Amino acid sequence: DVQVVESGGDLVQPGGSLKLSCAASGFTFSNYAMTWVRQAPGKGLEWISGISGSGGSTYYADSVKGRFTISRDNSQSTVYLQMNNLRADDTAVYYCAKGGISGYYWFDPWGQGTPVTVSS
Amino acid sequence: DIQMTQSPSSLSASVRDRVTITCRASQGINNYLAWYQQKPGQVPKLLIYAASTLQSGVPSRFSGSGSGTDFTLTISSLQPEDVATYYCQKYNSAPFTFGPGTKVDIK
Repeated sequence: DVQVVESGGDLVQPGGSLKLSCAASGFTFSNYAMTWVRQAPGKGLEWISGISGSGGSTYYADSVKGRFTISRDNSQSTVYLQMNNLRADDTAVYYCAKGGISGYYWFDPWGQGTPVTVSS
Repeated sequence: DIQMTQSPSSLSASVRDRVTITCRASQGINNYLAWYQQKPGQVPKLLIYAASTLQSGVPSRFSGSGSGTDFTLTISSLQPEDVATYYCQKYNSAPFTFGPGTKVDIK
């Protein structure tokens, strides 16, 4: 089965850093883009970052550009999200998802999510 | 950046009703549009990509149409298990923005 599993969410103070991981299985990892999407409590889905299968192309929402970095290790079938200078409005459940065929950025499946809380 | 809007923001319909949700892009995106379903307390699930291609395993009562700036998601016969929030998402180019969502419940 195709599966992605996130980890690394935690309670962190404003200005702090956190690194999320997403382990994938059941597909040829390097052939697919991967993405991170977040959902603040009671709010809608917010796409925040994506990375191509090779890792050569990365994309960010304006809300996280310059603070978050996406990367991947194709030998470990894992994608990461390094989050720096965290703010209260970064509090959300962070989902990892696999991209679609031919490098398209639709997302399926999604992981269960990992919660990040930014608070003092 | 291209903005995505959805209407209505919420709706209430009876079982077996036909339900239509609209998604609009502020600029043309060809058919690079996906639809997702998020049931209460659950993870989002892909329903449709390329505006009208049904993802494997999704019931045939779901359908999508449109191209350019205007898109629709139709549930031909609403079922109790369809209570959820539905999101559209553009993927022609980054940022791969989601619409604000449409909450569907049963009257």
